[in-house]
Amino acid sequence: QKEVEQDPGPLSVPEGAIVSLNCTYSNSAFQYFMWYRQYSRKGPELLMYTYSSGNKEDGRFTAQVDKSSKYISLFIRDSQPSDSATYLCAMSALKGAQKLVFGQGTRLTINP
Amino acid sequence: DSGVTQTPKHLITATGQRVTLRCSPRSGDLSVYWYQQSLDQGLQFLIQYYNGEERAKGNILERFSAQQFPDLHSELNLSSLELGDSALYFCASSVEPRGGEETQYFGPGTRLLVL
Repeated sequence: QKEVEQDPGPLSVPEGAIVSLNCTYSNSAFQYFMWYRQYSRKGPELLMYTYSSGNKEDGRFTAQVDKSSKYISLFIRDSQPSDSATYLCAMSALKGAQKLVFGQGTRLTINP
Repeated sequence: DSGVTQTPKHLITATGQRVTLRCSPRSGDLSVYWYQQSLDQGLQFLIQYYNGEERAKGNILERFSAQQFPDLHSELNLSSLELGDSALYFCASSVEPRGGEETQYFGPGTRLLVL
């Protein structure tokens, strides 16, 4: 079993829809949670960063972490065609440990 | 643009050969990470260097090695290449974390094709 599980999709939704992307994990030591967006043939770019449990909002994006359930989510409101990309969740353990463990990535398409 | 540069962008070589991938971190970043991304394995952490010293190792094969130079650029050496080594290789960099923050910035990657 992988440390981080993420549904690879693909996920296709109409423009303007609310998108929910999720990851589950098994390592209770993870404390730092990130979402990266990767466009085709590009490197991943950091989208959201969260420490421990709770919510974080940035524009149309909201990241949620539920450590008790070992479950993290990324919500995209008012989705746009430019949001079409692969979204990767990533996690890291103790402070100072920088080895990120990534999910498989979910391929998202927003249809105009 | 993340500020991390990688060369070359594309590399085509034959089995059994050796190649070197190069990475320049963002200005001021002391840590460099290497990742391999393939369709079946996803993004896998290979190795991390901090200010010239190896800090962490992931799923890096013995045929692969890396180093970080005094000017902080890093090279990933892949030898005795096999077909299965065909993948995207990413470099990422970060500052030394303060207060527990951990963010890595990725380069555009090197696409390696082994024939």
